[in-house]
Amino acid sequence: AQTVTQSQPEMSVQEAETVTLSCTYDTSESDYYLFWYKQPPSRQMILVIRQEAYKQQNATENRFSVNFQKAAKSFSLKISDSQLGDAAMYFCAYRPPSGNDMRFGAGTRLTVKP
Amino acid sequence: DGGITQSPKYLFRKEGQNVTLSCEQNLNHDAMYWYRQDPGQGLRLIYYSQIVNDFQKGDIAEGYSVSREKKESFPLTVTSAQKNPTAFYLCASSIRRVGNQPQHFGDGTRLSIL
Repeated sequence: AQTVTQSQPEMSVQEAETVTLSCTYDTSESDYYLFWYKQPPSRQMILVIRQEAYKQQNATENRFSVNFQKAAKSFSLKISDSQLGDAAMYFCAYRPPSGNDMRFGAGTRLTVKP
Repeated sequence: DGGITQSPKYLFRKEGQNVTLSCEQNLNHDAMYWYRQDPGQGLRLIYYSQIVNDFQKGDIAEGYSVSREKKESFPLTVTSAQKNPTAFYLCASSIRRVGNQPQHFGDGTRLSIL
């Protein structure tokens, strides 16, 4: 079964600085999909960014970008110019090519210091 | 606006009682999912359904039951067999079998034991 590991239970960053959240996964598939979700204190799950494994180019969404290393099975999230509103739990997720389900990591709690 | 509605927001269960969590979506998604979230852990899959009148067990289905009689609705029953039901429950939906499409989440239901 596929597993997703987030090795950083907590991270903190100074406002306006950059932070990188780590994620590794285990799969025997060659084609799959990776996601980062944000869960603020409201507990709502919000999609931050997605990456298709067949694409070599790293996905970018405004201040959020990923470093996708397929051979290393690594999918880190970089947040640039951190804002107070970025404070949340961040979950990395893996979805197989069948799209039947999604596997989540345990999450990283990000604190943004003013 | 399309979305997923979970109700109630808070639910309390007495010992030996079954309770049902509601999940309704108007996104015209075929696939629906139930996750359980415990403190310090990621989301764990309870049940999922790809089409009406069909559903599959996830990783932690024991003590739970579901039905999928309508495309829009996927209620979750927490039975008395679930000995540790206190958790935050999230319902999600997505386009069926399209892996790069994200799951959309409701706002969750927090279940506690009286």
